[in-house]
Amino acid sequence: ILNVEQSPQSLHVQEGDSTNFTCSFPSSNFYALHWYRWETAKSPEALFVMTLNGDEKKKGRISATLNTKEGYSYLYIKGSQPEDSATYLCASQPRSGGGADGLTFGKGTHLIIQP
Amino acid sequence: DGGITQSPKYLFRKEGQNVTLSCEQNLNHDAMYWYRQDPGQGLRLIYYSQIVNDFQKGDIAEGYSVSREKKESFPLTVTSAQKNPTAFYLCASSTTGGTGANVLTFGAGSRLTVL
Repeated sequence: ILNVEQSPQSLHVQEGDSTNFTCSFPSSNFYALHWYRWETAKSPEALFVMTLNGDEKKKGRISATLNTKEGYSYLYIKGSQPEDSATYLCASQPRSGGGADGLTFGKGTHLIIQP
Repeated sequence: DGGITQSPKYLFRKEGQNVTLSCEQNLNHDAMYWYRQDPGQGLRLIYYSQIVNDFQKGDIAEGYSVSREKKESFPLTVTSAQKNPTAFYLCASSTTGGTGANVLTFGAGSRLTVL
């Protein structure tokens, strides 16, 4: 089983500030890195899936980068808003696993935006 | 609207009883998955199915059973053999379960408590 680590475990950020957090994963046999946002009492929803080293994806104020050689991904939130409060999950998908059945999830980063 | 419906949202069970959690999707997805979440841990895969009438064990299948008689439905039975069944259960689906960076669509979850 792969080891996917997320840091920090939780984060309090003032509204309007920018923030970022990290997902580290085994770089060997890597295929894809997934980011999901999980708001309280809702379903987790997909943010990004990245496969190539150097990939950078953006959705509104949220962006993510991927370094497959060193095995890490950063998620950035610019100008945090209260609606960004959620748990952010990353999951690594190995090449040998094939498909989403091979996903290993991290424990998540719990982000709280303070007004 | 297309999505995944899980029921019930909350379920209480006495020790020694089997319970079945329902998962229905109208996304026309081929693959479906069951995950378990425990406090302080990442999502762990219980079972997955890539096609009707076929399913595979995930990382923590002991004490659970599933069926996939219809494309839309993937119920999970928590049997009395599951030693620690109290947890939050998430169902998910993806377009295919084969190779590829398949993005997961999740249900809202079912919380099972064993009394």
